Amino acid sequence: EAGVTQFPSHSVIEKGQTVTLRCDPISGHDNLYWYRRVMGKEIKFLLHFVKESKQDESGMPNNRFLAERTGGTYSTLKVQPAELEDSGVYFCASSQGRTSGTDTQYFGPGTRLTVL
Amino acid sequence: LAKTTQPISMDSYEGQEVNITCSHNNIATNDYITWYQQFPSQGPRFIIQGYKTKVTNEVASLFIPADRKSSTLSLPRVSLSDTAVYYCLVGREGGYNKLIFGAGTRLAVHP
Repeated sequence: EAGVTQFPSHSVIEKGQTVTLRCDPISGHDNLYWYRRVMGKEIKFLLHFVKESKQDESGMPNNRFLAERTGGTYSTLKVQPAELEDSGVYFCASSQGRTSGTDTQYFGPGTRLTVL
Repeated sequence: LAKTTQPISMDSYEGQEVNITCSHNNIATNDYITWYQQFPSQGPRFIIQGYKTKVTNEVASLFIPADRKSSTLSLPRVSLSDTAVYYCLVGREGGYNKLIFGAGTRLAVHP
């Protein structure tokens, strides 16, 4: 079974440009999460989808970030316009959704974004 | 959500057992303890999860005392490939958790 995949693996753009990151969750996983790690900081939660609905977007830093999950399958995270402080690694994770124990999240390899 | 505290770094040698302890003094009744492992240039990977006492799988063991205010991840006979960052997280039962990552413990295994 394929794991969580993310595209691209690396992206280098200039300040003010737009970048779109894509995440394909594990098939059948209704829950999809975005996290990011900016340089020298800890991994931080951005938002959570349940199917196509945004369940929690409390971690989105500002309105330059737009996440979508049309059809409840893959998700995109668009940064427009990109700023220098957006540089970092963006991780996507997915999970099945469980009621006993906590729901294990499976992470993708991340997209390394560099804004020049 | 309960805050966790763990050592910033640890060193070990191949073949040794490594124990990483995490403190979570404010853990709630319905919180579970989960450990993730992260290699460079990869996303975090689930290792083990537990609620109380001891849990063992093919990768590690997790020891949780009765008061649940701490937990210890035990890696038996580590190899060089176990060099990674290990994160202790606490999350509530019921799923749909946003994970709160701390700095983790950077384990270096030496030949």
